[in-house]
Amino acid sequence: GAVVSQHPSRVICKSGTSVKIECRSLDFQATTMFWYRQFPKKSLMLMATSNEGSKATYEQGVEKDKFLINHASLTLSTLTVTSAHPEDSSFYICSAREGQGIQTQYFGPGTRLLVL
Amino acid sequence: GENVEQHPSTLSVQEGDSAVIKCTYSDSASNYFPWYKQELGKGPQLIIDIRSNVGEKKDQRIAVTLNKTAKHFSLHITETQPEDSAVYFCAASTGGGADGLTFGKGTHLIIQP
Repeated sequence: GAVVSQHPSRVICKSGTSVKIECRSLDFQATTMFWYRQFPKKSLMLMATSNEGSKATYEQGVEKDKFLINHASLTLSTLTVTSAHPEDSSFYICSAREGQGIQTQYFGPGTRLLVL
Repeated sequence: GENVEQHPSTLSVQEGDSAVIKCTYSDSASNYFPWYKQELGKGPQLIIDIRSNVGEKKDQRIAVTLNKTAKHFSLHITETQPEDSAVYFCAASTGGGADGLTFGKGTHLIIQP
């Protein structure tokens, strides 16, 4: 149980284009999903918190107009990197939490983004 | 905000020996402390977690201890095996509302055969 999937697993795009990453909870309903970014050999940095049916909450320093987050259903959240630049290249990982008061987060396998 | 320090950054142990990774946190309101194992190119996998109303938790070869007064918690792996080699992250959360996790910088655990 508690499986989280991400798609795509890796993507290469040209500078200036937009890329959408999907995060799905496969066997549970996730009222809250989180998006993290990880640079090589570094820790995970929280980018934003996504609640189903409401606007995402972004961490300080994360551009909400650049990293668009949508949590349209209890099993799906999407992260769109708009007008991507080489510095946006990174490993993006989502996690999902089952409900209020439940703190356990299950992580997806991550999406490797390379912007040329 | 919360700050989590993790040590050591690299730990090499002989197969069969024990490994200990330590973390400290700054926010006394934090009440949830998970540990994740991450293999190269993969997402983090939850291996054990502890809540602030508990001082110790064990799951087979893995145990976590928590000292709320000192604001530190530790991961203990006994009888280490080659498949334990990975990067381990500690994290902390206040658990309120939609709180995300604050991660330590990670420990690269190397099990020497």
